[in-house]
Amino acid sequence: DQQVKQNSPSLSVQEGRISILNCDYTNSMFDYFLWYKKYPAEGPTFLISISSIKDKNEDGRFTVFLNKSAKHLSLHIVPSQPGDSAVYFCAASDGNQFYFGTGTSLTVIP
Amino acid sequence: DAGVTQSPTHLIKTRGQQVTLRCSPKSGHDTVSWYQQALGQGPQFIFQYYEEEERQRGNFPDRFSGHQFPNYSSELNVNALLLGDSALYLCASSFSDTEAFFGQGTRLTVV
Repeated sequence: DQQVKQNSPSLSVQEGRISILNCDYTNSMFDYFLWYKKYPAEGPTFLISISSIKDKNEDGRFTVFLNKSAKHLSLHIVPSQPGDSAVYFCAASDGNQFYFGTGTSLTVIP
Repeated sequence: DAGVTQSPTHLIKTRGQQVTLRCSPKSGHDTVSWYQQALGQGPQFIFQYYEEEERQRGNFPDRFSGHQFPNYSSELNVNALLLGDSALYLCASSFSDTEAFFGQGTRLTVV
């Protein structure tokens, strides 16, 4: 049973525009959420995180929003750059292990 | 700081064989987790080691076993390899239950 879901396998965005990647989860015990970026032939790289006590966290061009009532997480990238093209994984932790979504492949078109 | 390092990067094994994958955690990290990532899927949790003991385990058969050494490095062993074990195996290290840092992975192909 997939506890973390990323329903969009791919997303294409024009350079300079906003990229919005979405993630839904089912387990209300998750208390920490992360986004990872993965390039081909490399391991996932930590991007940004958010604790369940917050609803927003910003780091430069990256902002993560958490809607606990909807069990929904989103990552906003503004402005999008061609170097952002990668697979983005949403992950959630219940304090013991991480559960990953299946990833969204983002392509930023120059 | 070299970050999390895994070896080997690629490996080809025959069905029925045994394989050992290795991971050195990021400096200062004491917890190591292993994940299996099949093609087109997100990483799936195998198990986590802390203080040389298996602390958590995902839904993987006993053919998957591991070990953590006093220097916090870790090994993942898989016995009686099946074709379905072909995947990218990721090691992640952390110091707490928050963010984890991943290695580049070991691509295992079972033929």
